[in-house]
Amino acid sequence: NAGVIQTPRHKVTGKGQEATLWCEPISGHSAVFWYRQTIVQGLEFLTYFRNQAPIDDSGMPKERFSAQMPNQSHSTLKIQSTQPQDSAVYLCASSFSGGVYEQYFGPGTRLTVL
Amino acid sequence: AQSVTQPDARVTVSEGASLQLRCKYSYSGTPYLFWYVQYPRQGLQLLLKYYSGDPVVQGVNGFEAEFSKSNSSFHLRKASVHWSDSAVYFCALTRTGGYKVVFGSGTRLLVSP
Repeated sequence: NAGVIQTPRHKVTGKGQEATLWCEPISGHSAVFWYRQTIVQGLEFLTYFRNQAPIDDSGMPKERFSAQMPNQSHSTLKIQSTQPQDSAVYLCASSFSGGVYEQYFGPGTRLTVL
Repeated sequence: AQSVTQPDARVTVSEGASLQLRCKYSYSGTPYLFWYVQYPRQGLQLLLKYYSGDPVVQGVNGFEAEFSKSNSSFHLRKASVHWSDSAVYFCALTRTGGYKVVFGSGTRLLVSP
């Protein structure tokens, strides 16, 4: 079991460019979560998929951020027109199912927007 | 709404000493509680979880935590710390039947030789 895989581990973009972050959940897990981690805000929930369907995106900024899960083996988080304030570590987690089961986290993608 | 407070941003202990990291939560129902650890440049790893039953739960690497409903707390303990325990520790909560994890701000533990 390779755990949750996130690529790339580090990404540097210029202001206004697009960034796409990838997550491969643990095989057999039906729930996928995205979080953002910053020094100031700590760990913030962004969005949640169950069985590939978007369930809750209440934490996603309304503009420029979008997430998809086209198949059970990967999810993407896309940030359009990146801004310096988007700089953060983006963490993906998966669980056996949404709800009470614990979430397993990937190593994160550190996004730096210059 | 639920929340988690970790009042100590940094804790320093000597190797071999005992440890307690504090966690207080706010939630009107019965919460599901977790402790996660984050090592540098890594994701979060689950140390232990509490759903119900015995208020003292055992985790990996000698960690344990005690749930107290009366104090709304879920403190993490270890009898004897090792230098490799140096990391950031997060207390977290989900509501009954929920999926959204609410994290505390984290406590950075430094184990000195």
